[in-house]
Amino acid sequence: DAGVIQSPRHEVTEMGQEVTLRCKPISGHNSLFWYRQTMMRGLELLIYFNNNVPIDDSGMPEDRFSAKMPNASFSTLKIQPSEPRDSAVYFCASSSQTVSSGNTIYFGEGSWLTVV
Amino acid sequence: GENVEQHPSTLSVQEGDSAVIKCTYSDSASNYFPWYKQELGKRPQLIIDIRSNVGEKKDQRIAVTLNKTAKHFSLHITETQPEDSAVYFCAASMGFNKFYFGSGTKLNVKP
Repeated sequence: DAGVIQSPRHEVTEMGQEVTLRCKPISGHNSLFWYRQTMMRGLELLIYFNNNVPIDDSGMPEDRFSAKMPNASFSTLKIQPSEPRDSAVYFCASSSQTVSSGNTIYFGEGSWLTVV
Repeated sequence: GENVEQHPSTLSVQEGDSAVIKCTYSDSASNYFPWYKQELGKRPQLIIDIRSNVGEKKDQRIAVTLNKTAKHFSLHITETQPEDSAVYFCAASMGFNKFYFGSGTKLNVKP
């Protein structure tokens, strides 16, 4: 299994530009998570999908952030317009969650975003 | 929602000594507690986990203990080596809900 696949691995963009991050979860996993990691705030959960449906997006910082999961094998996180304070590592993770029990979540390699 | 607190934020030990990292959680419904290791520039990776029906679990030099009554769990690393230097995260989960991560502990093992 190739694991969780994210693209791009690194992106440098100018303030105001649109940024789209992509994720392919592990085949068969029914839950997908988007996390943001910074030195100041650590690992923050942005949004969580279960069976392609957004369950909790309370971590999405602003309306500039949006996420979609059109099918079980693909998700995007979009920032429009981007700002320098959005610079961070964005991790996608997937898992097989059940109603009653949590299971291991597996992280992708991360997308390193720099907004100048 | 769940609140996971992790201590200490930094930990420095001499090679060969033991290291202990502690986490507390607030929601008694949490039933799955993984620990992740994140090396510099890499992704968090699972090193050990424990479920609420077990009090202790070991894997070579790593062990995790869980006290459900007190709502705390700990990571124990024995005979530490320089390659153990990393940031360690604890987490708590209860199924179709979020994974709640602790704030991380930066472990430095001095040769």
